[in-house]
Amino acid sequence: AQKVTQAQTEISVVEKEDVTLDCVYETRDTTYYLFWYKQPPSGELVFLIRRNSFDEQNEISGRYSWNFQKSTSSFNFTITASQVVDSAVYFCALSNYGQNFVFGPGTRLSVLP
Amino acid sequence: DAGVIQSPRHEVTEMGQEVTLRCKPISGHDYLFWYRQTMMRGLELLIYFNNNVPIDDSGMPEDRFSAKMPNASFSTLKIQPSEPRDSAVYFCASSPSGTGYFGYTFGSGTRLTVV
Repeated sequence: AQKVTQAQTEISVVEKEDVTLDCVYETRDTTYYLFWYKQPPSGELVFLIRRNSFDEQNEISGRYSWNFQKSTSSFNFTITASQVVDSAVYFCALSNYGQNFVFGPGTRLSVLP
Repeated sequence: DAGVIQSPRHEVTEMGQEVTLRCKPISGHDYLFWYRQTMMRGLELLIYFNNNVPIDDSGMPEDRFSAKMPNASFSTLKIQPSEPRDSAVYFCASSPSGTGYFGYTFGSGTRLTVV
């Protein structure tokens, strides 16, 4: 069975601090995809990044970076120099080759001014 | 592209009434998904369609829930009769592929309140 764990329920940081959101996944598949979605207070779900299981390169996009480690089944997300607009719930998700798309419980990030 | 369009954005109804939620997927996306989000259970997949055909409805909680996709550009999720425990945000999502590669594009959701 597939499972995504986000152990951090809520995180609060002060603006300009760096913050890392943890994601640990479980799957028996060798081919799978990992995602991060952002849900701001307005409620929509916004796609941030996709990673496939064969690509362990870390990725940086502006203030966002992702660290994928198959050895520890983790796909962590770091926001550098956080801003108030980063306040949201962040979901990690796992999909196998079929349509079994599993979301983690989410981490609520509050960035205080 | 206008993205996935859901209507209404908010719905308040009385217990026992029929509720219909609507979704227009992104043109060309062959897969459509209905999710429910609650504080207690997070994001749950209710049902998904491929080429307008329901593939997996194992997440549909009860017979009170039904979903249809009469054509490639429209889907409905109906609850009849509604109950207070159905109160949640219902998301529709679409995807161009069955491989999971592209992820899902979500609509803005419908916040349902059953009183």
